Amino acid sequence: GQQVMQIPQYQHVQEGEDFTTYCNSSTTLSNIQWYKQRPGGHPVFLIQLVKSGEVKKQKRLTFQFGEAKKNSSLHITATQTTDVGTYFCAGPNAGNMLTFGGGTRLMVKP
Amino acid sequence: DGGITQSPKYLFRKEGQNVTLSCEQNLNHDAMYWYRQDPGQGLRLIYYSQIVNDFQKGDIAEGYSVSREKKESFPLTVTSAQKNPTAFYLCASNSLAGSADTQYFGPGTRLTVL
Repeated sequence: GQQVMQIPQYQHVQEGEDFTTYCNSSTTLSNIQWYKQRPGGHPVFLIQLVKSGEVKKQKRLTFQFGEAKKNSSLHITATQTTDVGTYFCAGPNAGNMLTFGGGTRLMVKP
Repeated sequence: DGGITQSPKYLFRKEGQNVTLSCEQNLNHDAMYWYRQDPGQGLRLIYYSQIVNDFQKGDIAEGYSVSREKKESFPLTVTSAQKNPTAFYLCASNSLAGSADTQYFGPGTRLTVL
């Protein structure tokens, strides 16, 4: 079945440094979604990418969908302590259900 | 105020007891989902339902049961057959049954088996 992998699993950064998490699917995706889960909280939808090569920005966050629609990345510029949390990517599987990646846990040292 | 509510927030149970976790949504969503999350791990799908009176097993359904008697409600029962039930349980919903549309999550229930 479809697999969605994320790397790295954990990332420690100093506040102000950049951060990137990568998402790779074993199958071509019709769309890719990103969610953020704060410590102790629940996943919250951030964005959805649909088009091949699409790039979207939300303030310091840049999301990219690969040309082959099998990979995606989330880049955070100049991290802040408010960026702490786990970032999940998710893509539709053959049954049109969402398959979530394992997540990347971001820790920011002030 | 629209959204998904889960109760209770924290739940403790003794081994051998069944326990039911509540999930209610007033978003008029067709589909509802239950996920399990272990510490530092991702989300694993337990059960999902796309219409009332119908539900499907997810990847880790053993030891769990659900019902969908109303569109707004999708309770999850953790039975004594679930060997390692201590986890964070998340309920989610979305608007298009059968479509991988954006999912909205409830605040979760932390279940601890003593």
